[in-house]
Amino acid sequence: EIVLTQSPDTLSLSPGERATLSCRASQSVSSSYLAWYQHKPGQAPRLFIYGASSRATGIPDRFSGSGSGTDFTLTISRLEPEDFAVYYCQQYGSSLTFGGGTKVEI
Amino acid sequence: QLQLQESGPGLVKPSETLSLTCTVSGGSIRSGSYYWGWIRQPPGKGLEWIGNIYYTGNSRSNPSLKSRVTISLDTSKNQFSLKVHSVTAADTALYYCARHGRPGYYYDYMDVWGKGTSVTVSS
Repeated sequence: EIVLTQSPDTLSLSPGERATLSCRASQSVSSSYLAWYQHKPGQAPRLFIYGASSRATGIPDRFSGSGSGTDFTLTISRLEPEDFAVYYCQQYGSSLTFGGGTKVEI
Repeated sequence: QLQLQESGPGLVKPSETLSLTCTVSGGSIRSGSYYWGWIRQPPGKGLEWIGNIYYTGNSRSNPSLKSRVTISLDTSKNQFSLKVHSVTAADTALYYCARHGRPGYYYDYMDVWGKGTSVTVSS
């Protein structure tokens, strides 16, 4: 099973700042089959990025995904108030596993 | 617009069977050749994939849960269901249903999710 480790656990930033979230896999993720989700309390997780770098429908371009192999990054160029949430990475190249999440807080 | 809604008992006794249903609206569960999945989140923890089912009825489960999980489909009601047998406190979680993003891919990202339903295992 591919284990995904997200860091940091918590990112404390202010609106307008840049956020960089990391997702590291225990082995290479084939075909960059990696997704990122935003999750807010009481809401359904929302797909933001798939294929490591493709934005899902309706996701603003301040969100970008990058990486390959075992190291992946989600970058939020300028944080908006609605961006403060928990973000999970998920790999789907070999079975399905999720990372432990990074909380982006004000 | 496709929507998913989980439903089922919020409290299950230890050793019994947890049963949840996901109702799909705004589209047919038979169309598009998608996989439909279940994911859970224990309190204070991350997300865990439970399993999925194809529109034909073929299903796959997380090896860590496989022997206790049954996933089924009722196309006449546009629903799919989850059963977790012999539950313990460790099965207490928020349970989500979701649709896979690409037709025919049994391991995939999920592009449509339900809002989740809370299940507590306690006597």
